[in-house]
Amino acid sequence: AQSVAQPEDQVNVAEGNPLTVKCTYSVSGNPYLFWYVQYPNRGLQFLLKYITGDNLVKGSYGFEAEFNKSQTSFHLKKPSALVSDSALYFCAVRVSRGSTLGRLYFGRGTQLTVWP
Amino acid sequence: NAGVMQNPRHLVRRRGQEARLRCSPMKGHSHVYWYRQLPEEGLKFMVYLQKENIIDESGMPKERFSAEFPKEGPSILRIQQVVRGDSAAYFCASSPPEGLKTNTGELFFGEGSRLTVL
Repeated sequence: AQSVAQPEDQVNVAEGNPLTVKCTYSVSGNPYLFWYVQYPNRGLQFLLKYITGDNLVKGSYGFEAEFNKSQTSFHLKKPSALVSDSALYFCAVRVSRGSTLGRLYFGRGTQLTVWP
Repeated sequence: NAGVMQNPRHLVRRRGQEARLRCSPMKGHSHVYWYRQLPEEGLKFMVYLQKENIIDESGMPKERFSAEFPKEGPSILRIQQVVRGDSAAYFCASSPPEGLKTNTGELFFGEGSRLTVL
């Protein structure tokens, strides 16, 4: 069975400080890893993904994430947080089996609050 | 290129009525996924469809829920005889056919349909 864990329901950081939102996964197969962000009463916006290649991937709004195969982790990071980064963040995985991908499996989400 | 379009954005139904939620995928996308988000919870997979074909319905409740994606027109998620527990945000996502160069792996989400059952 495929699963994604986001161990923190909430992360609070001060504006200007670095932020990390944690994600670990458990899959049988090759993982495609994603981060999405959701603002109140809105849909999910794609931030970044890891499929193959460099373990450090860069995405929208200055976010980046590091794929760590041995720790099965894909933590989201940003060097300097903004108040406008406050939102709900979802880690997700799709599993590659040959030529098919199938659905996205989501973590429960982490509410990020950046205070001024 | 318009994004994934969902309507209605908000829907209010009384217990026992039917709810129909529509999703038009992005242009060129032939795969549609439906997810449900309950308050204070994450996103729960419901169903994965291609045109005229259900690929994975393992997340669909056994009764009252159905989904279709006809050859022409939007995908529809139908909930019969709604109950208060059906109140949630329902999100649709789409992707291109797998194997194409245009399929970069991520799903593209609509803004959601928020169902309230009175």
